[in-house]
Amino acid sequence: GAVVSQHPSRVICKSGTSVKIECRSLDFQATTMFWYRQFPKQSLMLMATSNEGSKATYEQGVEKDKFLINHASLTLSTLTVTSAHPEDSSFYICSAASWNTEAFFGQGTRLTVV
Amino acid sequence: SQKIEQNSEALNIQEGKTATLTCNYTNYSPAYLQWYRQDPGRGPVFLLLIRENEKEKRKERLKVTFDTTLKQSLFHITASQPADSATYLCALDFSGYSSASKIIFGSGTRLSIRP
Repeated sequence: GAVVSQHPSRVICKSGTSVKIECRSLDFQATTMFWYRQFPKQSLMLMATSNEGSKATYEQGVEKDKFLINHASLTLSTLTVTSAHPEDSSFYICSAASWNTEAFFGQGTRLTVV
Repeated sequence: SQKIEQNSEALNIQEGKTATLTCNYTNYSPAYLQWYRQDPGRGPVFLLLIRENEKEKRKERLKVTFDTTLKQSLFHITASQPADSATYLCALDFSGYSSASKIIFGSGTRLSIRP
């Protein structure tokens, strides 16, 4: 199946700093990319949906100024967690899809804010 | 708002038996319903997709049904093996005919297959 690469797989940062997570579709053009957050023993919570070249659509309760999403090309989307705090520590997962196909998921990024 | 419920948080069955997981949703039916497997610390892996006009889909030991009247999908693993132990997530895709699709996940069922 299609491959979605997410980088980094783990990151530890200091409180107040920003962290960027990349999501790349390696062998297909993703018209839509999704960003999810998953807390321990919970399901994936959709944070935002982004279409290439347009602004991301954020889910209710997700601060768009804190979680900056850029989807500049059909193969790359980035999520930047700005001014990270310990409560932002979580497992972040991206997925990529073309219209009318299933979504393919990245490996996830474990973010720890200390 | 749309709700997705997977009725069992955890399911424990004997190796060789058929595991059946349930996914129920409220409100309007999605264009697609998908099942994923997730292992601890990893991203979900796609298993099967079933469209709203399909009743059943099979892939090797896996079978998915989709009943839009009951607003329910059943996911079966036949001849279950310990290696099937994982969390299984159902996901609803409300893309319809728009490219701005939206995939929402259920809470997942943690399946354990004992030898």
